[in-house]
Amino acid sequence: SYELTQAPSVSVSPGQTANVICSGDKLENKYVSWYQQKPGQSPVLVIYHDTKRPSGIPERFSGSNSGDTATLTISGSQTMDEADYYCQAWDFSNVIFGGGTKLTVL
Amino acid sequence: KLQESGPGLVKPSETLSLTCTVSGGSITSSSYYWGWIRQAPGQGLEWIGSMYYSGNTFYSPSLKSRVTISMDTSRSQFSLMMNSVTAADTAVYFCARYDYGDFNFDSWGQGTLVSVSP
Repeated sequence: SYELTQAPSVSVSPGQTANVICSGDKLENKYVSWYQQKPGQSPVLVIYHDTKRPSGIPERFSGSNSGDTATLTISGSQTMDEADYYCQAWDFSNVIFGGGTKLTVL
Repeated sequence: KLQESGPGLVKPSETLSLTCTVSGGSITSSSYYWGWIRQAPGQGLEWIGSMYYSGNTFYSPSLKSRVTISMDTSRSQFSLMMNSVTAADTAVYFCARYDYGDFNFDSWGQGTLVSVSP
């Protein structure tokens, strides 16, 4: 079965750029979405179709997907961006989630 | 908007049953599937399954033998049933709308905690 791999945690200082990585075999052949989840809340879609931002998501959130790696980039990270981030893809009628990355901004 | 409802406590070996009520949009929209995702305490997201209003349904291979998703379009509701539950099924259960054109869950319910305990 297809798997998506994420590092458990990433730390960044406020104002710096955070990169959250999602790895999977030939991932570039799939569309990747990213979700932000803060404690006690439901996930929120922040990137879909690899690079697109839903309405209301700040421009500092961007995405890319090449080879075996998709990347969520948060430019000028803010303390409010501290959260868990999950990548997600679709594989032969299955929805796959990555294990999640905890982003710490401090 | 999506809202989950159902018992917060289920006994081991019994059946977990949850309902999601959809408001502010049509559950028979041609653009969407409707799905269930769960999150065990301190763990990541796990997809359970998704259903289209026509009846087409996809399930996670790891849960397929125990799970049934159904839909009542007249009530704008879809439901999850999971049988033979164990403590490992204790989780927050989310219902969500899946845009199959964009391959993402673009709207989520608030989630409901289901504990499996004697």
